[in-house]
Order: sequence, then structure tokens, then C-alpha cells
Amino acid sequence: DGGITQSPKYLFRKEGQNVTLSCEQNLNHDAMYWYRQDPGQGLRLIYYSQIVNDFQKGDIAEGYSVSREKKESFPLTVTSAQKNPTAFYLCASTPTRDRMGQPQHFGDGTRLSIL
Amino acid sequence: AQTVTQSQPEMSVQEAETVTLSCTYDTSENNYYLFWYKQPPSRQMILVIRQEAYKQQNATENRFSVNFQKAAKSFSLKISDSQLGDTAMYFCAFMIGTSYGKLTFGQGTILTVHP
Repeated sequence: DGGITQSPKYLFRKEGQNVTLSCEQNLNHDAMYWYRQDPGQGLRLIYYSQIVNDFQKGDIAEGYSVSREKKESFPLTVTSAQKNPTAFYLCASTPTRDRMGQPQHFGDGTRLSIL
Repeated sequence: AQTVTQSQPEMSVQEAETVTLSCTYDTSENNYYLFWYKQPPSRQMILVIRQEAYKQQNATENRFSVNFQKAAKSFSLKISDSQLGDTAMYFCAFMIGTSYGKLTFGQGTILTVHP
């Protein structure tokens, strides 16, 4: 079955450490997205990518970095500059960028905590 | 910038009854799409329903239907014959037609269905 796989499910970060969250999709979608969700709140866009080797900042990109070297993969790095990284992170994708208005498909998320 | 507002942080309903969740949005665009997503305790994001702004007919998916009032910029979700499995956080989301899938989410409404 096609879908989006996020790993790990739980991740712990030490002070001053960079950590990378994995997101892989086999839906052949062009566009991919990273969201942050804080307890009891909505989703906020961190970064998005419409095509390989291109990505744009979302609303809360500071302290995060991404890469898009392959269509299937869109890893998110939470850097030491992100002072409050504890949150639930969701990855999503949408079908071809020529098809407007298609809903996003989501992975199961990664919960990141500070040790 | 687009904004989405869900004014009901929490709602509750008895099993088999009907409940309506409110959502308003603000935009100057004419071409856009609206969505309702459900996030159960498992944290998975599940698409409930999609509405195209240029269609006057309200979208329906089984027990879920919307009341789309374009002039009032209102997009409420009605759940009929509520089931225990409908207990979840519900998010209203907005997408500009030319945004290649970028979503703006509301803050969410926690719905609890009581037996």
C-alpha cells in the first residue's frame, strides 16, 4: 500500500544536538510538507518542497533545515538553534503540482522531546 | 494572509445525535479549497471532507456534511448519527488554488462523543 512513513516515532534530543526526522513517501507525489503541532493546537508549516532540489520556508522555519534530494524523501533537521523543539512533527504530501486543490496525505508523526 | 478560526475549543455530543462544528476564514482570493481533517487520539490526520469554493453545492461524505457560506466565509461541519469513533480533534483548513497544496489550519475543536 502507498503511504507516508515517518521515523522514528519517538525521538529525544540533548542540549546542543541536531536531530533529523525522516519522511519517505511512495505515492509519487511532487509536493511535501513539514508541520509542527504543539499540545492542543493546530498545525504550523515549517518547510515545504514542490519539486526535487527546491524548498521554501513556511511560517516557523527558524531553527530547522530540510533537503529534497529525491522525490520520495524530505528529511527535517531540528538544529540546536531551535530552543523549544518539543512538539509533534507531521510530514505530508500532495499529488502532482499540476493538480490544484488536492488534499494532503499525512504520515503518523514523530514526537520529539528534550532530554 | 489567510486566517482560519475555529471558535469552539471543545464540544461534546451524545451518541447518535447531531453536532455542528464551526469554522470561519478570511481571504481575498476567489479560487480556494476548504477541508476538514480529523485527528483521533492516535494523532493520525485523516481527511474528512473537501469543498471547492467555486461549487455552490455543499460537500457530503456519508454522515459528514458541510454548510459552505461563501459570502459569510463560513464552513461548518455537521456530523449526523455521532459514533464513539468520531471522538477526535477536528481541524478546518484552507488552501489557495494556486498555492500548490499549502494549507492553513485552524486551532482545532476537540469533539467528545458520549455513550
